[in-house]
Amino acid sequence: KQEVTQIPAALSVPEGENLVLNCSFTDSAIYNLQWFRQDPGKGLTSLLLIQSSQREQTSGRLNASLDKSSGRSTLYIAASQPGDSATYLCAVQAGANSKLTFGKGITLSVRP
Amino acid sequence: DAGVIQSPRHEVTEMGQEVTLRCKPISGHDYLFWYRQTMMRGLELLIYFNNNVPIDDSGMPEDRFSAKMPNASFSTLKIQPSEPRDSAVYFCASSHRQGSDTQYFGPGTRLTVL
Repeated sequence: KQEVTQIPAALSVPEGENLVLNCSFTDSAIYNLQWFRQDPGKGLTSLLLIQSSQREQTSGRLNASLDKSSGRSTLYIAASQPGDSATYLCAVQAGANSKLTFGKGITLSVRP
Repeated sequence: DAGVIQSPRHEVTEMGQEVTLRCKPISGHDYLFWYRQTMMRGLELLIYFNNNVPIDDSGMPEDRFSAKMPNASFSTLKIQPSEPRDSAVYFCASSHRQGSDTQYFGPGTRLTVL
C-alpha cells in the first residue's frame, strides 16, 4: 500500500528565504506526482504535475523535482513571500486509472 | 468557467439526520471525485466517477454513504444516518482525463454532526 509522508508538518521562515519542502513515498512505481496548495478554508489548487518520466517541473518561483528510485520529491520555493503561506500537499498516482494518494501536507508560514 | 461548485459550504446537523452534499463539476470534465479531509486521516478518496459511472467506491467508509451522478453536471454524496465521526470537510474535484490531467477542487463542504 502506497504511503506518502511529508515532514515536518509545519514550517516557519522569514520572507525572502529560499526553502525546500520534502515529500517521500514508499512505492517507487508511480505514474505521476503532483504538488497542491491549500489555503485555509479553501480547496486544493494544483501547482505542478511531474510525470514519472520527468525529473522536474518549474512554474515561476516554484520548482518540483522527482527521484523515483529513492521515493522522494522536493518543492523548491525561491524568494518566499508572505503570500506563499499555505499548506502544501503532495500526491502520487500509481497508474493512469489509479487514485491519488495524498500526504498530510506541510503548513508553511512566511513571516514578513 | 466558475470552477467546481459545491453546496452547501457549511452544514451543521444532528446525529441521525440525513445529509446531502452537492457538486457541479467543470463543464467538459469526464471525471468526478469525492474526497474527505480530516486532521487525523488527511485527504482520502471516497469514490470517483467516469462519464457518470462509478468506477471505484472502495473508499466509501460504510453503507451509510452513497453517491450518485445522474448527469454530467451534477453529483451528490449522501450520508444517512449521519454520525459525529462523519464530521469533516468534503471536497469534490473534477478532471478532463484522470492520468495526465490535474484535478480541480471545489471549495469544500464543512460538515459538523452534533
